[in-house]
Amino acid sequence: DAGVTQSPTHLIKTRGQQVTLRCSPKSGHDTVSWYQQALGQGPQFIFQYYEEEERQRGNFPDRFSGHQFPNYSSELNVNALLLGDSALYLCASSIRGPGANVLTFGAGSRLTVL
Amino acid sequence: AQTVTQSQPEMSVQEAETVTLSCTYDTSESDYYLFWYKQPPSRQMILVIRQEAYKQQNATENRFSVNFQKAAKSFSLKISDSQLGDAAMYFCAYRKGSGGSNYKLTFGKGTLLTVNP
Repeated sequence: DAGVTQSPTHLIKTRGQQVTLRCSPKSGHDTVSWYQQALGQGPQFIFQYYEEEERQRGNFPDRFSGHQFPNYSSELNVNALLLGDSALYLCASSIRGPGANVLTFGAGSRLTVL
Repeated sequence: AQTVTQSQPEMSVQEAETVTLSCTYDTSESDYYLFWYKQPPSRQMILVIRQEAYKQQNATENRFSVNFQKAAKSFSLKISDSQLGDAAMYFCAYRKGSGGSNYKLTFGKGTLLTVNP
């Protein structure tokens, strides 16, 4: 049973460019969340998707946007890249519902902005 | 806003010994969950243990156990019989228990654990 898969694993962009990161949730999961982890820091919540809509958002600018597809996979888009956007981007999936539903994380996409 | 603080940037332990990682948090909520995640060099976050705030009994998973002090808002992780494979970054995390925030985790900055042979 595949867990959460993310692509690409590494990528390098220049300031001002746009990037798209992709995530396939664990089988049976319907909710996807995205986190940004800067070097030496804990992950920070970007947003969460279920039923193809953004349901909750962290303190990130509108340059960060996302999408969820009918098969529950998701994309994270970042426009007008800044040097400070360099980070590990983690995707996590879960099953929606009450209780301490455990998040399953992917291995992340390492973005470097030059 | 909820905050999570890990005051130990780095810790080290001898193989087979016991180590305790500290975590404090701040919240005005009464219903919440606390987690410890492990992040090895492979980067993938792995759940180590979780605690529901309404449970008084401390959670235990094999060699891992927590000391949950709700009044003090403290949530420490004890690793017994440390193994080389335990070496990783450990993150303490908080999640509100109900409503639309069910899936937002607030993480601390992490503690880097080194296990010496």
